[in-house]
Amino acid sequence: EPEVTQTPSHQVTQMGQEVILRCVPISNHLYFYWYRQILGQKVEFLVSFYNNEISEKSEIFDDQFSVERPDGSNFTLKIRSTKLEDSAMYFCASSAPTGGGQETQYFGPGTRLLVL
Amino acid sequence: AQSVTQLGSHVSVSEGALVLLRCNYSSSVPPYLFWYVQYPNQGLQLLLKYTSAATLVKGINGFEAEFKKSETSFHLTKPSAHMSDAAEYFCAVSKGNQGGKLIFGQGTELSVKP
Repeated sequence: EPEVTQTPSHQVTQMGQEVILRCVPISNHLYFYWYRQILGQKVEFLVSFYNNEISEKSEIFDDQFSVERPDGSNFTLKIRSTKLEDSAMYFCASSAPTGGGQETQYFGPGTRLLVL
Repeated sequence: AQSVTQLGSHVSVSEGALVLLRCNYSSSVPPYLFWYVQYPNQGLQLLLKYTSAATLVKGINGFEAEFKKSETSFHLTKPSAHMSDAAEYFCAVSKGNQGGKLIFGQGTELSVKP
């Protein structure tokens, strides 16, 4: 069964450093998402991406964040200058264009980011 | 604005007992509702979803949920808990627009005692 994959599974970085989190969505999916979960808190939406542009973003997704689909398979989340409060589990998800908004979002296993 | 509230951050049941995980939603438009499960060190897996076709929705692993508009609820149930059901469960809502975001509840950790 196709699945969303994410690399790395864990990332430790120093405050102020740039990090890139990578995701490979399911191959025939066209909608891509990033969510994050700070330890002990709920899963929060960050951004959605369709047709090579951001379709929606949350207030969390400020200028320090960017997303890119550099080729036909990868989907990346970049944090330019990490802060302590960026420490979280980051989930990538993808969905197929089934129409009507009923599509299921398929989630990857997550990347645990720790900012020191 | 849409929101989801899951009552009880931790629920503990005995093996073979009924599982009931509560979810209430708030939505200004007819919602689409989802239950996801997260096993340790894994991603979120869809259990079931409500998309207005039927109010009682059956999902994987014997779980089901009933959409009750009058109560703005979408509680998850399973008649008989199994040890393998121990996991974190998330209720989520979307507006139903294509490619739209999911808004999650706080999650409920289910423990199953032998």
